[in-house]
Amino acid sequence: QKEVEQNSGPLSVPEGAIASLNCTYSDRGSQSFFWYRQYSGKSPELIMFIYSNGDKEDGRFTAQLNKASQYVSLLIRDSQPSDSATYLCAVNRGNNRLAFGKGNQVVVIP
Amino acid sequence: DAGVTQSPTHLIKTRGQQVTLRCSPISGHKSVSWYQQVLGQGPQFIFQYYEKEERGRGNFPDRFSARQFPNYSSELNVNALLLGDSALYLCASSTGPPEKWQPQHFGDGTRLSIL
Repeated sequence: QKEVEQNSGPLSVPEGAIASLNCTYSDRGSQSFFWYRQYSGKSPELIMFIYSNGDKEDGRFTAQLNKASQYVSLLIRDSQPSDSATYLCAVNRGNNRLAFGKGNQVVVIP
Repeated sequence: DAGVTQSPTHLIKTRGQQVTLRCSPISGHKSVSWYQQVLGQGPQFIFQYYEKEERGRGNFPDRFSARQFPNYSSELNVNALLLGDSALYLCASSTGPPEKWQPQHFGDGTRLSIL
């Protein structure tokens, strides 16, 4: 079992719709979780982090964490063409070392 | 303020050669981590340095080595290059000791191609 799994294929959403991304992790002791956005040919950019069970909202982004089920999700509301990118889920393995999933590509269709 | 800077941006090498990649962290950041990102995959942790000391090492062969200098810049060295070393090498910096989580800020990476 991979440490961090993002199994969904590319996600196409119409402009203005909600994009929903999911991620599961294997280490039950993990404490902090992150979503990075990566545009093609660019470096990952941190957009959300979450520590506690429940929801955390920041602008059009909402991160959801369920430690009992070991999953993290990201919702992007009112999707814009500029949201088209690969979204990477990452878990802090301890001592600030991140384990990343392979990423999910999101394409927002105008 | 300048972000994390990496050099060179692109590099082409042949199998068996050696390469050195460089990273300058954000001013005031004392921790540097290196990640390898193969096309279509997420970044994989290679090394972490804080105050010039190695604080973490990922599952990479001994051909990979790194160091951090007194000005907190860092170098990643890879010896005896293999085709599988072709990847985007990312450097990330953060402010304090690894025991306390802080956001990691990534540079734009060095794209290494092995022929």
